[in-house]
Amino acid sequence: NAGVTQTPKFRVLKTGQSMTLLCAQDMNHEYMYWYRQDPGMGLRLIHYSVGEGTTAKGEVPDGYNVSRLKKQNFLLGLESAAPSQTSVYFCATSQISPGGTYEQYFGPGTRLTVT
Amino acid sequence: GDSVTQMEGPVTLSEEAFLTINCTYTATGYPSLFWYVQYPGEGLQLLLKATKADDKGSNKGFEATYRKETTSFHLEKGSVQVSDSAVYFCALSNNFNKFYFGSGTKLNVKP
Repeated sequence: NAGVTQTPKFRVLKTGQSMTLLCAQDMNHEYMYWYRQDPGMGLRLIHYSVGEGTTAKGEVPDGYNVSRLKKQNFLLGLESAAPSQTSVYFCATSQISPGGTYEQYFGPGTRLTVT
Repeated sequence: GDSVTQMEGPVTLSEEAFLTINCTYTATGYPSLFWYVQYPGEGLQLLLKATKADDKGSNKGFEATYRKETTSFHLEKGSVQVSDSAVYFCALSNNFNKFYFGSGTKLNVKP
């Protein structure tokens, strides 16, 4: 099993360009998340999804859009990239564990630089 | 709202030293608590967890005890190794399946 994969691993954009980050999972998890990680700020939730066809805003959603057309994929879009969106982006999934708690599983990350 | 505060790093230790990374939380209800570890260039991996007060999570020599009276979940290891060098994140999850992460503590272990 591949677990959680992210495409691409690295990307450099110019201000105003658009792009889509792809997250794919083969664990059949219902919940999926997009975070950004910035130095000294830990992980901040951008958007999340509780199932196919659903999305919801997280802590820092402005400037991003998401779609969950298929259960196994969660796309993060930047319509008009800005330098403030330079960050490392992580996708995660979760499912309730046998003990009744949720555990998250993370992808390897996408390092995005906007110049 | 829910939040996690952990000690700032970096923490630099010699091999075989004792490790403590402090973590405190603010939450409504009875959250689950986690420690995640991030090795360079990788995503976060679950290290250990605790789901109720006084539970002790443990894995790979690391331990943390869920202390509701002090709202803390400090990470400890008796003897660190160079291979433990990484960034450690404390996190909590409430019953709405949302996770809140601390800012991370970088650990450097010198031989």
